[in-house]
Amino acid sequence: GENVEQHPSTLSVQEGDSAVIKCTYSDSASNYFPWYKQELGKRPQLIIDIRSNVGEKKDQRIAVTLNKTAKHFSLHITETQPEDSAVYFCAASPLDSNYQLIWGAGTKLIIKP
Amino acid sequence: DAGVIQSPRHEVTEMGQEVTLRCKPISGHNSLFWYRQTMMRGLELLIYFNNNVPIDDSGMPEDRFSAKMPNASFSTLKIQPSEPRDSAVYFCASRGGVTKNIQYFGAGTRLSVL
Repeated sequence: GENVEQHPSTLSVQEGDSAVIKCTYSDSASNYFPWYKQELGKRPQLIIDIRSNVGEKKDQRIAVTLNKTAKHFSLHITETQPEDSAVYFCAASPLDSNYQLIWGAGTKLIIKP
Repeated sequence: DAGVIQSPRHEVTEMGQEVTLRCKPISGHNSLFWYRQTMMRGLELLIYFNNNVPIDDSGMPEDRFSAKMPNASFSTLKIQPSEPRDSAVYFCASRGGVTKNIQYFGAGTRLSVL
């Protein structure tokens, strides 16, 4: 079955700097890769997703890149702000009628003022 | 839509008691997921339903856990008897409709078993 590994487990960056979180997956059938953000005490919420027919997707300060050959994808956050402090989860899944997401372990992002 | 609604938001119970968590998915969504989140084990999928039918319950820890989805607008997760190690935040999520790939999470139920 699918396995998703996420690194690092904790990332501390200076406000204004960039942050990169990386995930690898094992199942070549996976073709959908979402990223969820979970603020302290809140629910996980989707922030960006990408499908395997696309190599990169951007939404303002957030971007996700996908390397299908190497089976890894990354979340990039530029010009980090205090509100970016949260736990970020990556996930992978094949897009079929009964698919479930296989989740990474999460990365705690700390933005230092 | 009010989103995925879970109740109760907090539950404190004593070891051995029965606990029932409830979830109302977003109207029109045909998939429902129950997750458990702890510091040690992260986000774990317990069970998920597609069109009210359980598809994969391999994440259910043991026979003390059971889940039902009697109709498209309601699901329960029951723990009987509860144990201190069941203390966690339990999330329900649903998926479907025009945003079919996105899982929308409820606010969660924080369960403490004393």
